[in-house]
Amino acid sequence: DAGITQSPRYKITETGRQVTLMCHQTWSHSYMFWYRQDLGHGLRLIYYSAAADITDKGEVPDGYVVSRSKTENFPLTLESATRSQTSVYFCASSESQINQPQHFGDGTRLSIL
Amino acid sequence: EDQVTQSPEALRLQEGESSSLNCSYTVSGLRGLFWYRQDPGKGPEFLFTLYSAGEEKEKERLKATLTKKESFLHITAPKPEDSATYLCAVSARQLTFGSGTQLTVLP
Repeated sequence: DAGITQSPRYKITETGRQVTLMCHQTWSHSYMFWYRQDLGHGLRLIYYSAAADITDKGEVPDGYVVSRSKTENFPLTLESATRSQTSVYFCASSESQINQPQHFGDGTRLSIL
Repeated sequence: EDQVTQSPEALRLQEGESSSLNCSYTVSGLRGLFWYRQDPGKGPEFLFTLYSAGEEKEKERLKATLTKKESFLHITAPKPEDSATYLCAVSARQLTFGSGTQLTVLP
């Protein structure tokens, strides 16, 4: 089925570890986005990508790295996880950056101990 | 700085009791306003896009309206399955989300 698939759905890791969250979309959308959702903050943009090999920072990029070698994949890496990065992470895709709706995956719940 | 405020934070309704959710915003150069529904453990699900003041969109028991400063999501005769968190987001240079309204509809 077409859509966005995020993996893993749940992840527990320790501070200082590297962890990668995966995102795959089947719509061939140009734009892809990573958000984190925390109580009291709503959804905050971490990074986004306009096309393969084109990425840019969002509101809260520190501590995160992204890459986009293929249009359909947009992994998010925490190079040295910290407890403040415990959150629910959502990937989204869209035909444009701001004029079209974004379509979301079901998220990865990440706990850092 | 773009700001989006949703109210109330939480709303409990009896089945059939109509009400409205509010999304007020301050942005420079609104390109669009989006409403989403989010169920527990799921990602936001797109509902509506509104592009200009005066525009309205409807889907089943939901109707979204837009003015120059705010948007309303009207829920007519809600059912328990309408229980969810409703998010609005405004699009200017980037997409800015509100914190949501958690709606509970009691049978």
